[in-house]
Amino acid sequence: AQSVTQLGSHVSVSEGALVLLRCNYSSSVPPYLFWYVQYPNQGLQLLLKYTSAATLVKGINGFEAEFKKSETSFHLTKPSAHMSDAAEYFCAVIPDSGTYKYIFGTGTRLKVLA
Amino acid sequence: DTGVSQDPRHKITKRGQNVTFRCDPISEHNRLYWYRQTLGQGPEFLTYFQNEAQLEKSRLLSDRFSAERPKGSFSTLEIQRTEQGDSAMYLCATDEGAEDNTFGSGTRLTVV
Repeated sequence: AQSVTQLGSHVSVSEGALVLLRCNYSSSVPPYLFWYVQYPNQGLQLLLKYTSAATLVKGINGFEAEFKKSETSFHLTKPSAHMSDAAEYFCAVIPDSGTYKYIFGTGTRLKVLA
Repeated sequence: DTGVSQDPRHKITKRGQNVTFRCDPISEHNRLYWYRQTLGQGPEFLTYFQNEAQLEKSRLLSDRFSAERPKGSFSTLEIQRTEQGDSAMYLCATDEGAEDNTFGSGTRLTVV
């Protein structure tokens, strides 16, 4: 069964510093991969997605992620953190191409320090 | 505003009571999903509909849970005889025929 693992349930960075949130997936076939962001008491907002096109995917708010098949990874990065980036981030995979239901990781809470 | 509206936003209920949540997609999308998110966890798939047909149910969906989508547009999720373990955020999503899911803001259920 497909799954995703997010390393680090909490990550703290200083404002202006690099953001790196890690996601590894287990899959026997090239998957669809996603990063979503969730602000307190809100639903999830799509940041970016990988669908077997370009391996470097650019998303909203300056985020990007690189699909590395050899490492089964899809880490999320942003060159310079902003206070408004403080939120919870979820990596997700679609396990079944017949539907678009997701399997989510456990999430990483990003804290941005002034 | 997202393309999916959920009501209520918050619900506090006593253990043993029944609750019902509603999900309204703004546009009529074929597929509609329900997820449950407990504190500190990612959302977990509960069930999904294609039009009015409920095509898959997770084993997380016990007999106390029932979901409907009677006209293929809005959907309801009912929990009977609520337990404290049912306390969670219940999220609804639609997929607009593509791999992106559009999520509602969720209903936060607290069972006391």
